Amino acid sequence: GAGVSQSPRYKVAKRGQDVALRCDPISGHVSLFWYQQALGQGPEFLTYFQNEAQLDKSGLPSDRFFAERPEGSVSTLKIQRTQQEDSAVYLCASSLQAAVSKLFFGSGTQLSVL
Amino acid sequence: KNEVEQSPQNLTAQEGEFITINCSYSVGISALHWLQQHPGGGIVSLFMLSSGKKKHGRLIATINIQEKHSSLHITASHPRDSAVYICAATNSGGGADGLTFGKGTHLIIQP
Repeated sequence: GAGVSQSPRYKVAKRGQDVALRCDPISGHVSLFWYQQALGQGPEFLTYFQNEAQLDKSGLPSDRFFAERPEGSVSTLKIQRTQQEDSAVYLCASSLQAAVSKLFFGSGTQLSVL
Repeated sequence: KNEVEQSPQNLTAQEGEFITINCSYSVGISALHWLQQHPGGGIVSLFMLSSGKKKHGRLIATINIQEKHSSLHITASHPRDSAVYICAATNSGGGADGLTFGKGTHLIIQP
């Protein structure tokens, strides 16, 4: 596709359930970022991939959060044993280069944990 | 860690008005991004700038590196400009977590 695609668009999970969020970046984009956006707040960094390498995961809030990008294209953000405080919009962004360059964002996955 | 502050947090204006949204940051940056987020929608990158001024249609972004300040201007505002505008700073040190977002400015343009 022409843009960054995220799925599902909405996810409702029961507390304790595991979830997996998918991001399809623009083809050929080297960098991929995951952000978490709480209601009324700006996005907060979670993790960064350069191709298949996860170069920075300092923003992941706990060891329940795990991200991968095994072939350097599609990425999955997994949250285990979801908690209510995990409820947020999870945004994926990609950029063409590894250096500072224009970001292209997906529409996000809105996660609600009940 | 860079502190990115935006003002105002909320802005309601009439169609046709000239709009200014401000962004200030606390440490040196290599680039500043202006982003637009519509309700229920994703984020669109409007500008990425490291100096001077950029213009795209009715949108103008300026940055003053010495004052650590950037502004986003909208001329002849229209209801379809209603959105949240976010500035994000890429710190000079680079690195993936060098991108710090402001909390956004919620803009409503009334017809």
